[in-house]
Amino acid sequence: GNSVTQMEGPVTLSEEAFLTINCTYTATGYPSLFWYVQYPGEGLQLLLKATKADDKGSNKGFEATYRKETTSFHLEKGSVQVSDSAVYFCALSEPHMDSSYKLIFGSGTRLLVRP
Amino acid sequence: NAGVTQTPKFQVLKTGQSMTLQCAQDMNHEYMSWYRQDPGMGLRLIHYSVGAGITDQGEVPNGYNVSRSTTEDFPLRLLSAAPSQTSVYFCASRRLATYQETQYFGPGTRLLVL
Repeated sequence: GNSVTQMEGPVTLSEEAFLTINCTYTATGYPSLFWYVQYPGEGLQLLLKATKADDKGSNKGFEATYRKETTSFHLEKGSVQVSDSAVYFCALSEPHMDSSYKLIFGSGTRLLVRP
Repeated sequence: NAGVTQTPKFQVLKTGQSMTLQCAQDMNHEYMSWYRQDPGMGLRLIHYSVGAGITDQGEVPNGYNVSRSTTEDFPLRLLSAAPSQTSVYFCASRRLATYQETQYFGPGTRLLVL
């Protein structure tokens, strides 16, 4: 079945460092891809998304490009801040028989940014 | 808009007790769902609904019941709580128009079963 694989965490960086969180997926069709972020004690919120191959999603300095040839959707940020410390989830949305379009999540990657 | 709201924020139960986790959304979304979040396992889908009167099972439905009598509300019932149900529970909703729709999450309910 379809699945999402993320790099293991935690990822610990110093402020202003470059961030990459790897995400690869397995899908039979043409899914939409998402990054969600969960700040401590909160629910998940959408960070960015891409709906077709070669699309680049971006928000708050984060970017991710939908690479169909490598089935990847890696999250990047050029200069992280302490406030970026959170858990990041890669997810895909696939069409489903009952039109529910389920979201499939990766296991999450915890990012800790030190001052 | 309040978005997706959940109550309670935190609950402690004894093994065998029952309870209902409440979820409501004010965005008129057709799709609502319940997830549990456990360390190292991401989010796992428990139950979902594509509209009032329609529910279906997700990945881990055992021990949980749901109903959807209105568009706004989607309560999750634990029939007889077990320690394995200790987790953080998230409710979510979105439109059903396309599979590109953003899913909105509630703040979560932290459940401890002793």
